[in-house]
Amino acid sequence: DVKVTQSSRYLVKRTGEKVFLECVQDMDHENMFWYRQDPGLGLRLIYFSYDVKMKEKGDIPEGYSVSREKKERFSLILESASTNQTSMYLCASKGKPNTGELFFGEGSRLTVL
Amino acid sequence: GENVEQHPSTLSVQEGDSAVIKCTYSDSASNYFPWYKQELGKRPQLIIDIRSNVGEKKDQRIAVTLNKTAKHFSLHITETQPEDSAVYFCAASLGFKTIFGAGTRLFVKA
Repeated sequence: DVKVTQSSRYLVKRTGEKVFLECVQDMDHENMFWYRQDPGLGLRLIYFSYDVKMKEKGDIPEGYSVSREKKERFSLILESASTNQTSMYLCASKGKPNTGELFFGEGSRLTVL
Repeated sequence: GENVEQHPSTLSVQEGDSAVIKCTYSDSASNYFPWYKQELGKRPQLIIDIRSNVGEKKDQRIAVTLNKTAKHFSLHITETQPEDSAVYFCAASLGFKTIFGAGTRLFVKA
């Protein structure tokens, strides 16, 4: 059974704090993604990685950075959290670019006060 | 930039009726069109997909159609059941990038 695990389901942080969201997949997938989900806006791509230590900006990278030190782990970092980063964050992985299916984690709901 | 428009944003049907969700995409190079279902509090999961060399695909009560010329694709659910109630996302994909629609919240009334 394929598995994408996000370490924190719910987080509450204060403005200006540094936030780490961790994601681990056990499918030996090359490609990993971070999406942000907001009502009425769907899923928007923040960053993705197609290999260890490689990263590419998505559509909304401002205010975020990522780290991929190991194939199975992809971290999203908010250097200085702001209230407009309150959202649901979804990690996903897939095996090959055109294989298609994205496997999602359960999501991390972040509230920034 | 590339975008995917999805309609309607909310859809309410009686159990047993059909539901149709429509999407249009802007990047004509997109070659893979998945549909994801997200139940309340759960992760999005793939329910059906279609590739650009196919016009229609069916899997039991769900079907997807693709019109590449018009850059339209649609999800059809027949004989809806209460467990079909969820948010449905269409998407258009090329290589690494997958662009999602805003989602349709489907309510199936028993």
